[in-house]
Amino acid sequence: ETGVTQTPRHLVMGMTNKKSLKCEQHLGHNAMYWYKQSAKKPLELMFVYNFKEQTENNSVPSRFSPECPNSSHLFLHLHTLQPEDSALYLCASSQTIRHGPWEETQYFGPGTRLLVL
Amino acid sequence: ILNVEQSPQSLHVQEGDSTNFTCSFPSSNFYALHWYRWETAKSPEALFVMTLNGDEKKKGRISATLNTKEGYSYLYIKGSQPEDSATYLCAYLRVDSNYQLIWGAGTKLIIKP
Repeated sequence: ETGVTQTPRHLVMGMTNKKSLKCEQHLGHNAMYWYKQSAKKPLELMFVYNFKEQTENNSVPSRFSPECPNSSHLFLHLHTLQPEDSALYLCASSQTIRHGPWEETQYFGPGTRLLVL
Repeated sequence: ILNVEQSPQSLHVQEGDSTNFTCSFPSSNFYALHWYRWETAKSPEALFVMTLNGDEKKKGRISATLNTKEGYSYLYIKGSQPEDSATYLCAYLRVDSNYQLIWGAGTKLIIKP
């Protein structure tokens, strides 16, 4: 157990559906991340939140909408996705960012396996 | 090198043998190098954070070295066991990249009994 949970673990949705991914961390961390992992590719950083403020949005399409209501919870709202969005979505947290290399150590959830039909 | 490259992409090793693999990264603006282990159906788990040229870290049978001047890190596993089967990821932290980790695609290690 890493202290980071994600729900659901698996999700199948149609292109017209709206769904949300949830991430919760119990580590007292202040930074949270969404990553996309496609087969045989490196992790792609999507969004970063630090103290509930979004600090990075790596040119992610607007059909992905993050929400961070507090430092412990992170959501990824999905709407009108495309089949190429099918991937593993990982949430991570770290103590903070821009403070030092150890504070950047990230703790990951198990991921949500998303299939868009 | 502009990105993080890991080699080999996959590796089959007999139980009991030792092995190593490589992470290559840009040598400019280096800040830190992270190694993670990712077992199937589990979460990626941090192994090491390395910052200084010549750093060596050890955790049980796993160790890592760092050469920031030439831009590479080696991960070594001594006496491989079935539980070492996983994908090993490295991630590079640049000073000028808003402190975002830049990830390699990983080396998938399979230990044959």
